[in-house]
Amino acid sequence: EDQVTQSPEALRLQEGESSSLNCSYTVSGLRGLFWYRQDPGKGPEFLFTLYSAGEEKEKERLKATLTKKESFLHITAPKPEDSATYLCAPYGGTSYGKLTFGQGTILTVHP
Amino acid sequence: DTAVSQTPKYLVTQMGNDKSIKCEQNLGHDTMYWYKQDSKKFLKIMFSYNNKELIINETVPNRFSPKSPDKAHLNLHINSLELGDSAVYFCASSQDRERGFSSTDTQYFGPGTRLTVL
Repeated sequence: EDQVTQSPEALRLQEGESSSLNCSYTVSGLRGLFWYRQDPGKGPEFLFTLYSAGEEKEKERLKATLTKKESFLHITAPKPEDSATYLCAPYGGTSYGKLTFGQGTILTVHP
Repeated sequence: DTAVSQTPKYLVTQMGNDKSIKCEQNLGHDTMYWYKQDSKKFLKIMFSYNNKELIINETVPNRFSPKSPDKAHLNLHINSLELGDSAVYFCASSQDRERGFSSTDTQYFGPGTRLTVL
């Protein structure tokens, strides 16, 4: 069975303090991995899809990277508006659209 | 021009009642999903429909029944509601499951329906 673990569970940063979130996974026949952002009371918002080890994607202050066993979401010089829960979801070869989500990392950025 | 919409946003009901949550997507996607997010914030898939055909049916009590009148709509009916059904339910859609993994498989989520069973 596919397994996903995100760490840390919660992360508090000062504005401008860069850091990384981790997503470790065990998925047979990995075909890719999604990152989502979820604000309180809202649905997950799509950020990135990574398809193969070594791939990187960037969007504003966020950069996602992928290895064969984990993915990182790097946040550079975060702002308070980056505060949210970040979810990763790997996608396996036989999943037929079934994403396995991690429990998320709650990021809080203080001004 | 909301992409994936759900109604109602909040649903408070008594144990034993039957209720429905509606979902509509205007993205022209072929596949729709229902997820449950529990109090620990884990998102777990419940069902998936592709062009009105059920393709994913996770271990969910048969009190839960999805219904897809057309490929733009996927409703969730819940019979004999129990306390443990309290959660946030999300609908999602994606372009096309059949084409393999590509950018078209990205799932777009609705705003969620918070169900509270008293």
